[in-house]
Amino acid sequence: DAGVTQSPTHLIKTRGQQVTLRCSPKSGHDTVSWYQQALGQGPQFIFQYYEEEERQRGNFPDRFSGHQFPNYSSELNVNALLLGDSALYLCASGRTDYGYTFGSGTRLTVV
Amino acid sequence: GENVEQHPSTLSVQEGDSAVIKCTYSDSASNYFPWYKQELGKRPQLIIDIRSNVGEKKDQRIAVTLNKTAKHFSLHITETQPEDSAVYFCAEGPSGYSTLTFGKGTMLLVSP
Repeated sequence: DAGVTQSPTHLIKTRGQQVTLRCSPKSGHDTVSWYQQALGQGPQFIFQYYEEEERQRGNFPDRFSGHQFPNYSSELNVNALLLGDSALYLCASGRTDYGYTFGSGTRLTVV
Repeated sequence: GENVEQHPSTLSVQEGDSAVIKCTYSDSASNYFPWYKQELGKRPQLIIDIRSNVGEKKDQRIAVTLNKTAKHFSLHITETQPEDSAVYFCAEGPSGYSTLTFGKGTMLLVSP
């Protein structure tokens, strides 16, 4: 068990809809990062949260937004869904210099 | 990290052979180089990592080497087993908890 919990595990949405994905970090971890993994590709960095603020952001449009709560859990929101947003969304948590632990991901399908 | 190239994209070996996967990177600020194993439908799992102040690290059948001058690092798996079959990703970043840039992955198939 990775200790990083993501929900839901699978999700099907229609183009134009909005979606919220959730992540609970491993105990003791205070940093949460989100990655998008398209089929057959490596994970791509979306953004990272630390102390409830977005610390770094990758090359993703503003339709992708997030939040971190005081208990370090995090949400990823995607507005105006496109077919190309279909992917596995991975949450990774970490602390200081101990490296990442990935969750099992949320498989999002946009139809 | 800016760009990570990973080769080969697929690798087929016989059980017991060695497998080597290579990655090159472009960002001089990179100091952390992890390798992840991802089985079909599962999350990436960290199998070994190395920091820039170390040239080589070994953990049982798995080893990673780093040449910071040439900006490349490699994963070596010895005595491969069928359960080693998976997609392997290299990654790099400024530190262990910073953002990571991933390679496109290598599908390793170990035949009995």
